[in-house]
Amino acid sequence: GQNIDQPTEMTATEGAIVQINCTYQTSGFNGLFWYQQHAGEAPTFLSYNVLDGLEEKGRFSSFLSRSKGYSYLLLKELQMKDSASYLCAALNAGNNRKLIWGLGTSLAVNP
Amino acid sequence: ETGVTQTPRHLVMGMTNKKSLKCEQHLGHNAMYWYKQSAKKPLELMFVYSLEERVENNSVPSRFSPECPNSSHLFLHLHTLQPEDSALYLCASSQDLVDLSGNTIYFGEGSWLTVV
Repeated sequence: GQNIDQPTEMTATEGAIVQINCTYQTSGFNGLFWYQQHAGEAPTFLSYNVLDGLEEKGRFSSFLSRSKGYSYLLLKELQMKDSASYLCAALNAGNNRKLIWGLGTSLAVNP
Repeated sequence: ETGVTQTPRHLVMGMTNKKSLKCEQHLGHNAMYWYKQSAKKPLELMFVYSLEERVENNSVPSRFSPECPNSSHLFLHLHTLQPEDSALYLCASSQDLVDLSGNTIYFGEGSWLTVV
């Protein structure tokens, strides 16, 4: 089957580091996306990983392990504005190519 | 500002009304999408257009009718909706179909729809 799992909610403190995990099961795999969505706003693109390893973009990094069907989003030096929902989406490959979306992880950053 | 503009941002309609959601993308993209976002559910892909042709229809009820007059504009026509259709409707675009090449999807702000 096709499935994405990520934690529903997480809480962290301003200035800290938080890791949001995502596991996926797809019939074929062609990459994984992370999006950030603030309440009442559009999801905005954060990262796309198709090869194993860590990709860093400023305070945000994304990691992928294809063999384990696992990704994580790492947020460093947390700021209050990082409070948002973080959506993981795996790009299925094969006869039914489409994006499989997770439910999103709601991150609350406290002072 | 994502380059994808949706109107209206909020819409309340009765079950017998006919209304339309509008989407315009200023990114020169070839593919456009309608998604439905409901609480406690993953994003649901409704319709996909590539170069103004519908390429996917994910078993969406006929009370939702898409229209793509050109590569920059996408409409979602609504008629005789049900209360369970109340949700956030997101328009999105990508340079080419995301399923072919992992193209990044850019979303609009969404239209909050309430059916009463």
